[in-house]
Amino acid sequence: DAMVIQNPRYQVTQFGKPVTLSCSQTLNHNVMYWYQQKSSQAPKLLFHYYDKDFNNEADTPDNFQSRRPNTSFCFLDIRSPGLGDAAMYLCATSLGPKEQETQYFGPGTRLLVL
Amino acid sequence: GNSVTQMEGPVTLSEEAFLTINCTYTATGYPSLFWYVQYPGEGLQLLLKATKADDKGSNKGFEATYRKETTSFHLEKGSVQVSDSAVYFCALSGGYNKLIFGAGTRLAVHP
Repeated sequence: DAMVIQNPRYQVTQFGKPVTLSCSQTLNHNVMYWYQQKSSQAPKLLFHYYDKDFNNEADTPDNFQSRRPNTSFCFLDIRSPGLGDAAMYLCATSLGPKEQETQYFGPGTRLLVL
Repeated sequence: GNSVTQMEGPVTLSEEAFLTINCTYTATGYPSLFWYVQYPGEGLQLLLKATKADDKGSNKGFEATYRKETTSFHLEKGSVQVSDSAVYFCALSGGYNKLIFGAGTRLAVHP
């Protein structure tokens, strides 16, 4: 089945130690998104890629970066995690950028910062 | 700016009860509207969507109608099951397919 895969499901890192979360998709979708979801809150868009074009949300901290080396993979890099970055990180994809397009979500990676 | 407001939870129901979760939105233009469901420890799954006024989305017994005149997209189900217990998010799709979510409503269904 075509799907969105996130690894690992749980990630523990230390305060200030860089961490990378990964997302892959077999849907061959053009757009990939990263959302941050803190406990009992709604997901919040951090940034997205439309093909190779990177689009950052205005309020996404500089501490968060992303890479998309090819269509299938997208990475979220947190350069210096703080305690406030502990959250569930959700990757999503859509075929195109039109607002009618459905976004398909992965299972998420829960990040714990010690 | 665009925003979504949904009723606060938790909503607690007995099995086979009728469910309504209210959702209203503020948006410029004509966004698409979605309901996503999140089971414990999981990502979000699309439940249903509607892309224009008066459209009705439906799936697994859930329904919601895109009401432009009242800027609403209320979720309904005639008879809930224990397996429907989850968090439900109403969302709209703004420019460049950016999803804006409501705060989520937790539903607990008891036997």
